[in-house]
Amino acid sequence: KNEVEQSPQNLTAQEGEFITINCSYSVGISALHWLQQHPGGGIVSLFMLSSGKKKHGRLIATINIQEKHSSLHITASHPRDSAVYICAVRSPGAQKLVFGQGTRLTINP
Amino acid sequence: GAGVSQTPSNKVTEKGKYVELRCDPISGHTALYWYRQSLGQGPEFLIYFQGTGAADDSGLPNDRFFAVRPEGSVSTLKIQRTERGDSAVYLCASSLTQRLNSPLHFGNGTRLTVT
Repeated sequence: KNEVEQSPQNLTAQEGEFITINCSYSVGISALHWLQQHPGGGIVSLFMLSSGKKKHGRLIATINIQEKHSSLHITASHPRDSAVYICAVRSPGAQKLVFGQGTRLTINP
Repeated sequence: GAGVSQTPSNKVTEKGKYVELRCDPISGHTALYWYRQSLGQGPEFLIYFQGTGAADDSGLPNDRFFAVRPEGSVSTLKIQRTERGDSAVYLCASSLTQRLNSPLHFGNGTRLTVT
Protein backbone atom coordinates (compact mmCIF):
# COMPACT_ATOMS: atom_id res chain seq x y z
CA LYS A 1 0.00 0.00 0.00
CA ASN A 2 1.37 3.41 -0.96
CA GLU A 3 1.93 5.93 1.81
CA VAL A 4 -0.11 8.48 -0.14
CA GLU A 5 -3.27 7.49 -1.97
CA GLN A 6 -5.34 9.75 -4.18
CA SER A 7 -8.84 9.32 -5.50
CA PRO A 8 -10.12 9.35 -8.06
CA GLN A 9 -7.28 8.51 -10.45
CA ASN A 10 -9.18 10.10 -13.32
CA LEU A 11 -11.98 12.62 -13.24
CA THR A 12 -13.90 14.11 -16.13
CA ALA A 13 -16.44 16.86 -15.53
CA GLN A 14 -18.30 19.60 -17.32
CA GLU A 15 -17.32 23.23 -17.12
CA GLY A 16 -18.80 24.86 -14.04
CA GLU A 17 -18.97 21.73 -11.90
CA PHE A 18 -17.62 21.60 -8.35
CA ILE A 19 -14.60 19.30 -8.19
CA THR A 20 -13.24 17.34 -5.25
CA ILE A 21 -9.99 15.38 -5.25
CA ASN A 22 -9.09 13.34 -2.20
CA CYS A 23 -5.79 12.40 -0.61
CA SER A 24 -5.25 9.91 2.21
CA TYR A 25 -1.92 9.20 3.84
CA SER A 26 -0.72 6.64 6.30
CA VAL A 27 2.25 8.32 7.96
CA GLY A 28 2.70 11.18 10.39
CA ILE A 29 3.32 14.41 8.52
CA SER A 30 4.65 17.87 9.11
CA ALA A 31 3.06 19.27 5.93
CA LEU A 32 0.95 18.30 2.95
CA HIS A 33 1.31 19.83 -0.50
CA TRP A 34 -1.10 20.06 -3.39
CA LEU A 35 0.57 20.52 -6.76
CA GLN A 36 -0.62 20.95 -10.33
CA GLN A 37 1.14 19.38 -13.29
CA HIS A 38 0.33 20.36 -16.85
CA PRO A 39 1.25 18.34 -19.96
CA GLY A 40 4.95 18.88 -20.62
CA GLY A 41 5.84 18.22 -17.02
CA GLY A 42 5.91 21.59 -15.28
CA ILE A 43 4.79 21.31 -11.66
CA VAL A 44 3.36 24.26 -9.78
CA SER A 45 2.83 24.31 -6.03
CA LEU A 46 -0.76 25.22 -5.18
CA PHE A 47 -0.93 24.86 -1.42
CA MET A 48 1.08 23.77 1.55
CA LEU A 49 -1.01 22.79 4.59
CA SER A 50 -0.25 21.63 8.07
CA SER A 51 -3.75 22.19 9.45
CA GLY A 52 -7.14 23.62 8.63
CA LYS A 53 -8.05 25.14 5.33
CA LYS A 54 -6.55 27.41 2.68
CA LYS A 55 -8.22 29.21 -0.21
CA HIS A 56 -6.74 30.76 -3.32
CA GLY A 57 -9.16 32.00 -5.93
CA ARG A 58 -11.38 29.09 -6.94
CA LEU A 59 -9.18 26.54 -5.20
CA ILE A 60 -9.73 25.36 -1.65
CA ALA A 61 -7.60 22.85 0.23
CA THR A 62 -8.54 21.26 3.54
CA ILE A 63 -6.77 18.84 5.81
CA ASN A 64 -7.92 16.68 8.72
CA ILE A 65 -4.82 15.61 10.62
CA GLN A 66 -6.66 13.15 12.86
CA GLU A 67 -8.18 11.33 9.89
CA LYS A 68 -5.00 11.66 7.78
CA HIS A 69 -7.02 13.06 4.91
CA SER A 70 -6.94 16.11 2.67
CA SER A 71 -9.19 17.37 -0.09
CA LEU A 72 -8.66 19.78 -2.94
CA HIS A 73 -11.77 21.52 -4.21
CA ILE A 74 -12.21 23.54 -7.37
CA THR A 75 -15.29 25.74 -7.65
CA ALA A 76 -16.75 26.84 -10.99
CA SER A 77 -14.35 24.56 -12.88
CA HIS A 78 -12.99 25.66 -16.23
CA PRO A 79 -11.27 23.78 -19.07
CA ARG A 80 -8.00 25.51 -18.17
CA ASP A 81 -8.15 23.64 -14.83
CA SER A 82 -7.49 20.42 -16.77
CA ALA A 83 -4.23 19.01 -15.41
CA VAL A 84 -2.87 16.34 -13.11
CA TYR A 85 -3.26 17.24 -9.45
CA ILE A 86 -0.78 15.67 -7.07
CA CYS A 87 -0.80 15.36 -3.31
CA ALA A 88 2.53 15.06 -1.50
CA VAL A 89 3.47 14.78 2.17
CA ARG A 90 6.53 15.59 4.19
CA SER A 91 7.29 13.59 7.33
CA PRO A 92 8.54 15.32 10.48
CA GLY A 93 12.29 15.85 10.33
CA ALA A 94 12.50 14.87 6.67
CA GLN A 95 13.04 17.11 3.68
CA LYS A 96 11.80 14.84 0.92
CA LEU A 97 8.23 14.74 -0.31
CA VAL A 98 6.36 11.48 -0.80
CA PHE A 99 3.94 11.84 -3.67
CA GLY A 100 0.62 10.31 -4.53
CA GLN A 101 0.11 8.95 -8.02
CA GLY A 102 -1.88 12.00 -9.13
CA THR A 103 -5.43 12.64 -10.29
CA ARG A 104 -5.93 13.46 -13.95
CA LEU A 105 -8.69 16.07 -14.22
CA THR A 106 -10.37 16.89 -17.51
CA ILE A 107 -12.90 19.69 -17.68
CA ASN A 108 -14.98 19.70 -20.84
CA PRO A 109 -16.48 22.92 -22.19
CA GLY B 1 12.76 36.27 -12.74
CA ALA B 2 14.18 32.95 -13.89
CA GLY B 3 12.74 29.79 -12.45
CA VAL B 4 14.39 26.42 -12.04
CA SER B 5 16.01 25.49 -15.34
CA GLN B 6 16.71 21.92 -16.41
CA THR B 7 18.75 20.89 -19.41
CA PRO B 8 18.38 19.15 -21.72
CA SER B 9 14.60 19.04 -21.88
CA ASN B 10 14.80 15.73 -23.72
CA LYS B 11 17.58 13.17 -23.88
CA VAL B 12 17.60 9.96 -25.88
CA THR B 13 20.46 7.59 -25.23
CA GLU B 14 21.37 4.01 -25.92
CA LYS B 15 21.41 1.36 -23.24
CA GLY B 16 24.78 1.27 -21.51
CA LYS B 17 25.68 4.90 -22.16
CA TYR B 18 26.47 7.58 -19.58
CA VAL B 19 24.24 10.64 -19.21
CA GLU B 20 24.36 13.88 -17.27
CA LEU B 21 21.29 15.92 -16.43
CA ARG B 22 21.67 19.51 -15.28
CA CYS B 23 19.64 21.61 -12.90
CA ASP B 24 20.01 25.37 -12.42
CA PRO B 25 18.04 26.31 -9.31
CA ILE B 26 16.69 29.74 -8.57
CA SER B 27 19.54 32.01 -7.54
CA GLY B 28 20.13 31.94 -3.80
CA HIS B 29 18.14 28.77 -3.18
CA THR B 30 20.10 26.57 -0.80
CA ALA B 31 17.89 23.48 -0.92
CA LEU B 32 17.80 21.39 -4.10
CA TYR B 33 15.93 18.17 -4.79
CA TRP B 34 15.97 15.58 -7.54
CA TYR B 35 12.89 13.46 -8.22
CA ARG B 36 12.11 10.88 -10.89
CA GLN B 37 8.66 10.46 -12.43
CA SER B 38 7.71 7.38 -14.42
CA LEU B 39 4.76 7.47 -16.79
CA GLY B 40 1.44 7.70 -14.97
CA GLN B 41 3.06 7.86 -11.54
CA GLY B 42 3.82 10.54 -9.02
CA PRO B 43 7.41 11.70 -8.62
CA GLU B 44 9.77 9.64 -6.47
CA PHE B 45 12.51 11.17 -4.36
CA LEU B 46 16.10 10.63 -5.41
CA ILE B 47 18.37 13.03 -3.50
CA TYR B 48 18.34 16.27 -1.52
CA PHE B 49 21.14 18.84 -1.27
CA GLN B 50 21.49 21.50 1.36
CA GLY B 51 24.19 23.76 0.01
CA THR B 52 26.98 21.66 -1.47
CA GLY B 53 26.34 18.52 0.53
CA ALA B 54 23.96 15.68 -0.18
CA ALA B 55 21.91 15.69 3.02
CA ASP B 56 19.76 12.74 1.98
CA ASP B 57 20.60 10.39 -0.90
CA SER B 58 18.37 7.55 0.28
CA GLY B 59 16.27 7.64 -2.90
CA LEU B 60 19.08 6.89 -5.34
CA PRO B 61 18.12 3.47 -6.71
CA ASN B 62 21.64 2.03 -7.04
CA ASP B 63 25.27 2.99 -7.46
CA ARG B 64 24.81 3.83 -11.14
CA PHE B 65 23.19 7.06 -9.99
CA PHE B 66 25.21 9.92 -8.57
CA ALA B 67 24.60 13.64 -8.13
CA VAL B 68 26.81 16.59 -7.33
CA ARG B 69 26.41 20.23 -6.44
CA PRO B 70 30.01 21.41 -6.09
CA GLU B 71 29.41 25.13 -5.62
CA GLY B 72 26.02 25.00 -3.95
CA SER B 73 24.08 26.17 -6.99
CA VAL B 74 24.00 24.10 -10.20
CA SER B 75 23.51 20.36 -9.71
CA THR B 76 24.25 17.50 -12.07
CA LEU B 77 22.59 14.10 -11.89
CA LYS B 78 24.81 11.45 -13.43
CA ILE B 79 23.65 8.04 -14.58
CA GLN B 80 26.18 5.39 -15.61
CA ARG B 81 25.49 2.34 -17.76
CA THR B 82 21.94 3.43 -18.44
CA GLU B 83 19.19 0.83 -18.57
CA ARG B 84 15.80 0.97 -20.26
CA GLY B 85 14.19 1.10 -16.82
CA ASP B 86 15.90 4.44 -16.22
CA SER B 87 13.57 6.03 -18.78
CA ALA B 88 11.53 8.66 -16.93
CA VAL B 89 11.17 12.38 -16.40
CA TYR B 90 13.81 13.64 -14.01
CA LEU B 91 12.57 16.63 -12.03
CA CYS B 92 14.59 19.16 -10.09
CA ALA B 93 13.15 21.46 -7.44
CA SER B 94 14.64 24.14 -5.24
CA SER B 95 13.63 26.21 -2.25
CA LEU B 96 15.20 29.20 -0.55
CA THR B 97 15.79 27.30 2.66
CA GLN B 98 15.06 23.87 4.06
CA ARG B 99 12.43 25.35 6.37
CA LEU B 100 8.99 23.80 6.20
CA ASN B 101 7.26 26.94 4.92
CA SER B 102 9.81 27.72 2.21
CA PRO B 103 7.98 27.44 -1.13
CA LEU B 104 9.15 24.74 -3.49
CA HIS B 105 9.80 25.54 -7.15
CA PHE B 106 10.01 22.84 -9.81
CA GLY B 107 11.75 22.79 -13.14
CA ASN B 108 10.06 21.41 -16.25
CA GLY B 109 12.07 18.23 -16.06
CA THR B 110 14.34 16.27 -18.38
CA ARG B 111 12.64 13.45 -20.24
CA LEU B 112 15.19 10.63 -20.48
CA THR B 113 14.59 7.82 -22.95
CA VAL B 114 16.94 4.86 -22.96
CA THR B 115 16.65 2.76 -26.10
